[in-house]
Amino acid sequence: AQSVTQLGSHVSVSEGALVLLRCNYSSSVPPYLFWYVQYPNQGLQLLLKYTSAATLVKGINGFEAEFKKSETSFHLTKPSAHMSDAAEYFCAVREGGNKLVFGAGTILRVKS
Amino acid sequence: NAGVTQTPKFQVLKTGQSMTLQCAQDMNHEYMSWYRQDPGMGLRLIHYSVGAGITDQGEVPNGYNVSRSTTEDFPLRLLSAAPSQTSVYFCASSLTGLGKLNTEAFFGQGTRLTVV
Repeated sequence: AQSVTQLGSHVSVSEGALVLLRCNYSSSVPPYLFWYVQYPNQGLQLLLKYTSAATLVKGINGFEAEFKKSETSFHLTKPSAHMSDAAEYFCAVREGGNKLVFGAGTILRVKS
Repeated sequence: NAGVTQTPKFQVLKTGQSMTLQCAQDMNHEYMSWYRQDPGMGLRLIHYSVGAGITDQGEVPNGYNVSRSTTEDFPLRLLSAAPSQTSVYFCASSLTGLGKLNTEAFFGQGTRLTVV
């Protein structure tokens, strides 16, 4: 079974600073990878997904992620954090048969 | 476009009570699933369905039942609620099949369940 590891359950950055949220996956075949965001008391919303068309994937709200096969990583970045980015972020990998396997999540705090 | 609709949004149960969490989608998605979200554990798959009449167990199925009589609806039943089932429950739907694995899953707003 595939698995996802998100390093750091909590990340704190200052407004305007770089955001880096880490995600490593285990997969013996080309993976289908996703980043979702969850704002307080809401459901999950897709930020971006890796479709194998390009290793650098751009998503909504200025986020992007780079797929690195050699490192089995799909880290999420944003050059400049905004207060509205405060949320919980989940990395997920799709297994065969359509199942999504989620990491434990990273709570992003943005300080003014 | 409603997407995935879950009801109720909040529920408090006493230990031993049963209830059904409702989930409906209007996107004609074949694949539907239920997750529970607990702090520090991400989302864990309870049950899933690849189409009407077909369901299967996920990672944490004990204490839960599902059925899929229509494409649109996928209710989750708690048979005899326990405090360990206090959690936030999410229903999700997506396309399935060859060439569809890179499509996104759509999530409902969640049901916050407390068992006392």
